[in-house]
Amino acid sequence: GQNIDQPTEMTATEGAIVQINCTYQTSGFNGLFWYQQHAGEAPTFLSYNVLDGLEEKGRFSSFLSRSKGYSYLLLKELQMKDSASYLCAVRDRDSNYQLIWGAGTKLIIKP
Amino acid sequence: DSGVTQTPKHLITATGQRVTLRCSPRSGDLSVYWYQQSLDQGLQFLIQYYNGEERAKGNILERFSAQQFPDLHSELNLSSLELGDSALYFCASSVGSQHTNYGYTFGSGTRLTVV
Repeated sequence: GQNIDQPTEMTATEGAIVQINCTYQTSGFNGLFWYQQHAGEAPTFLSYNVLDGLEEKGRFSSFLSRSKGYSYLLLKELQMKDSASYLCAVRDRDSNYQLIWGAGTKLIIKP
Repeated sequence: DSGVTQTPKHLITATGQRVTLRCSPRSGDLSVYWYQQSLDQGLQFLIQYYNGEERAKGNILERFSAQQFPDLHSELNLSSLELGDSALYFCASSVGSQHTNYGYTFGSGTRLTVV
């Protein structure tokens, strides 16, 4: 079946680095996406990985290992505004290329 | 402003009632996707329309229906509402029939409260 797992909640300190993990099981993997969602707001796109390796985009980086069914989102130089939920989603060929979403990781940044 | 417009922003209604949520996609986008997000839950895909035709169906209840009109705006109809239908309903749009590598553009959502 299809399954995406992320930690429910994480806490980190302003200025530090945090890694949010995502593991997935899908039959027709066709790319992995990370979105940021502030409470009560719409998700916004952060990153996309389809090949193994690290994609860097400013303070945010995303890593993928297809053989392990594993991804992480790395946030550096944390700011208070990074307090949000981070959603991992996998595009699945066998689901008509729809996104299968994880429940999200709530990140709390403390001063 | 993402370019995807959802109305209304908030809706409070009683159990058993019927409501209609509206979404106008970003200019040039042909696909509209509807999602439900209950409190502290992940996004649940409901349905996708592409250029007026139903393209994909997710976990959409029989009490719910949707359509996309010739001007590409879409409506999600929720009937016989139950308390458990209280949620944020998001609409997203994309140019093509599949999710692009650059992500969806989401609207700001409609918060539905059933009392």
